Amino acid sequence: EIVLTQSLATLSLSPGERATLSCRASQSVSSYLAWYQQKPGQAPRLLIYDASNRATGIPARFSGSGSGTDFTLTISNLEPEDFAVYYCQQRSNWPWTFGQGTKVEIK
Amino acid sequence: QVQLQESGPGLVKPSETLSLTCTVSGGSISDYYWSWIRQPPGKGLEWIGYIYYSGDTNYNPSLKSRVTILIDTSKNQFSLRLSSVTAADTAVYYCARRLGTSGWIDYWGQGALVTVSS
Repeated sequence: EIVLTQSLATLSLSPGERATLSCRASQSVSSYLAWYQQKPGQAPRLLIYDASNRATGIPARFSGSGSGTDFTLTISNLEPEDFAVYYCQQRSNWPWTFGQGTKVEIK
Repeated sequence: QVQLQESGPGLVKPSETLSLTCTVSGGSISDYYWSWIRQPPGKGLEWIGYIYYSGDTNYNPSLKSRVTILIDTSKNQFSLRLSSVTAADTAVYYCARRLGTSGWIDYWGQGALVTVSS
């Protein structure tokens, strides 16, 4: 099973700042990586798929990069609604797995 | 707009079988893959398995011996059965739709909390 490690459990930032979240895979997942946003009491929402493609309706301030084992989600200018938990997910090998999440909180 | 809604008991006794149904509205269940994903309280997400509208399934090896996912295209529903549950199976259970043939989820149900307790 591929383990995804999100090294930061919590990231404390202010609105308007740039958020950089990382996700490392225990083995190469090529570009088969996605990012989801989850707010309290809600289901996750797909932000980025195939490492760098924005899902439908996702604002341009969200961007993804990386391939192989190291990936990054960047939120260029944090809006109040962006404070949430972010998960990475791989679909390279079954079972598809998620990282443990990074919470972006208001500083 | 596709909508998914989980339904089923919120409390299950240890050693019994957890059963949930997902009803899909706003679109056909055909031509898509449908998944169950769970999230223990305060923890991360775990993929339980998925089913194609044809009935083909794939289960997480860690749960394979206890999981059954079925589909009823006539009712636009699919279901989850998890046997021999323990407290470790307490979680919010989400039904979800995969984006095309990819492994990404584009539609989620709101989630159903299932507690395993006597």
